[in-house]
Amino acid sequence: DTGVSQDPRHKITKRGQNVTFRCDPISEHNRLYWYRQTLGQGPEFLTYFQNEAQLEKSRLLSDRFSAERPKGSFSTLEIQRTEQGDSAMYLCASSPGQGRNQPQHFGDGTRLSIL
Amino acid sequence: AQKITQTQPGMFVQEKEAVTLDCTYDTSDPSYGLFWYKQPSSGEMIFLIYQGSYDQQNATEGRYSLNFQKARKSANLVISASQLGDSAMYFCAMREGGGANSKLTFGKGITLSVRP
Repeated sequence: DTGVSQDPRHKITKRGQNVTFRCDPISEHNRLYWYRQTLGQGPEFLTYFQNEAQLEKSRLLSDRFSAERPKGSFSTLEIQRTEQGDSAMYLCASSPGQGRNQPQHFGDGTRLSIL
Repeated sequence: AQKITQTQPGMFVQEKEAVTLDCTYDTSDPSYGLFWYKQPSSGEMIFLIYQGSYDQQNATEGRYSLNFQKARKSANLVISASQLGDSAMYFCAMREGGGANSKLTFGKGITLSVRP
C-alpha cells in the first residue's frame, strides 16, 4: 500500500528561478490537495483538484504559482520567479472523495529553500 | 477570527501518563468535521482521529480520543498512556460543509514532549 509520494524532498534554488514539484497521490484517491507550511505554523491550503479539475484556489496562490493534474493522476506545482518568501514546506495530500469524514493523507513534503 | 485556535505552549507529559491537547474552533456552518494530525520532526503529517459535527459520541481510535464539546466549540485530543514516540507537533484542523468544499483549515499546532 503506497502512500502519497512527493518529489523532490528538498529543493534549493536561487531567487528568481522556476521550480516544479511533483505529487503522486494514493492510486484510488480522486481528490488531491496542495498546502504550504512555514516554520512554526500549520499547513495553509493552496489548491485542490477533483480528478483533473482544479476546483478551488487560495488567494495565497499568486499568479506565479500554477498547479496541474493532467488525466487526474499525478499533480505538479510550479513556482515561477521564486522569491525569498516562497521558502516553505510544500505538502501534497489526497483523499478518496466526498464525505466529511474522509481524512486527507499527506506526503512527506518538498522543502523549498530560496537562496 | 481564527477558525482553529491552539494556544497551549509546549506541552510536557511523563511517559505512560495521559495528556490533553486543546483545540477550539469557529464556524457558522452546522456541518463540519474536525481532524487531528501528528507531525513528527521528520515532517510527515499523520492522521490520528476524526469527529463529525453530527456525531453523537466522542471519537476514539486506540490511545487517542476526542473530547468533543459542541456548545463550547472545543475538540480536545486526549492521548492516553503516552509513549516516547508521541513526541511531535499536533495539529487540529477543520473541514466546513461538505461536497465540493474540501479544504482543511489548520491551527498553529502544539508541541508535545514526552519525558521518560
